[in-house]
Amino acid sequence: DGGITQSPKYLFRKEGQNVTLSCEQNLNHDAMYWYRQDPGQGLRLIYYSQIVNDFQKGDIAEGYSVSREKKESFPLTVTSAQKNPTAFYLCASSIDQTGGEFYGYTFGSGTRLTVV
Amino acid sequence: AQSVTQLDSQVPVFEEAPVELRCNYSSSVSVYLFWYVQYPNQGLQLLLKYLSGSTLVESINGFEAEFNKSQTSFHLRKPSVHISDTAEYFCAVSQRGTYKYIFGTGTRLKVLA
Repeated sequence: DGGITQSPKYLFRKEGQNVTLSCEQNLNHDAMYWYRQDPGQGLRLIYYSQIVNDFQKGDIAEGYSVSREKKESFPLTVTSAQKNPTAFYLCASSIDQTGGEFYGYTFGSGTRLTVV
Repeated sequence: AQSVTQLDSQVPVFEEAPVELRCNYSSSVSVYLFWYVQYPNQGLQLLLKYLSGSTLVESINGFEAEFNKSQTSFHLRKPSVHISDTAEYFCAVSQRGTYKYIFGTGTRLKVLA
């Protein structure tokens, strides 16, 4: 079955460490997105990518970095510059950006990151 | 600026009772409207959407939502809820041509036995 796989499901980070969250899709979607979810705040866009080797900052990109070397993969690195990284992170994809408007997004099951 | 307001953070309701989850938006241009559902520790799943045409849209599991342009609302309703409907529901707006969603803060629906 096609879908989005996020790993790991739970991740613990020590202060000052960089960690990378994996997102892989086999839907042949061009567009991919990273969202951060905090209780009572809904979803906020971190980064998005319309095509391989291209990505743009979302609303809260500071302290995060991404790459898009393959169509299927869009990993997110949470750097030590992110001061409050504890959150639930969701990866999503759409056929393309226009398709995202019409057909909606497909979401992964998320990674819960906790700073210890 | 575009925004989405979900007025209720939590809605408790007894099983088999009706429910309405409210969503209001503001936008100066035409929008597409969506409702997503999130079960605990899961990602979001698309529940239903309004793009154009009939203002009443339905999902396969009994939910419906009505687009009201004059009131800039897209409330979600179900005439009889089940325990399995317990989840968080997010309203989302996409301003046509911007390729960007704005999500509401979510409403946690808790169905009581």
